Amino acid sequence: GAGVSQSPSNKVTEKGKDVELRCDPISGHTALYWYRQRLGQGLEFLIYFQGNSAPDKSGLPSDRFSAERTGESVSTLTIQRTQQEDSAVYLCASSLFVGVSNEKLFFGSGTQLSVL
Amino acid sequence: AQRVTQPEKLLSVFKGAPVELKCNYSYSGSPELFWYVQYSRQRLQLLLRHISRESIKGFTADLNKGETSFHLKKPFAQEEDSAMYYCALLGYGQNFVFGPGTRLSVLP
Repeated sequence: GAGVSQSPSNKVTEKGKDVELRCDPISGHTALYWYRQRLGQGLEFLIYFQGNSAPDKSGLPSDRFSAERTGESVSTLTIQRTQQEDSAVYLCASSLFVGVSNEKLFFGSGTQLSVL
Repeated sequence: AQRVTQPEKLLSVFKGAPVELKCNYSYSGSPELFWYVQYSRQRLQLLLRHISRESIKGFTADLNKGETSFHLKKPFAQEEDSAMYYCALLGYGQNFVFGPGTRLSVLP
């Protein structure tokens, strides 16, 4: 596809269940970023990948959150034992390179996660 | 510490009026700053970056290191400018730090 694709677009789950969110970046983009946006809040950085490596995991809010990327392509964000405070829009973005100031981020349309 | 603040959650102006969306940052070193915009039912997208010194859709932003600001300006607002605007900083960890956003509403 031409853009960053995220699935599912909406996910409703029960408290305590695990969820997996998927991001397909633009082909050839080495950098991939995950952000969380709670209702009425700004974008909260979670993690980024350079290739398949995650140099900075400091933004992950707890050990219930993990992410991986394979084949320098698709990435999965996993939230274990979901809590109500995990409810948010999870945004994925990709760029050709990491940390280059004349690069721009291409965003997906996000996954709206609702934890009941 | 690296941080981006946008003091206004909502800014309303009339069509044709000047608009200024405020952004302040804290960062040790030479900052790289950006404005991203999200129009209704569209994805977040880059509007402009300070390194390019560009004007996009009539918007400009000047980096003021003394005031640690990167305010977004347009002399004559249009209704189609109504959107959510985010200021962002390329941080130490090579990640992008975003501000909380300002919703601009341009009234007819």
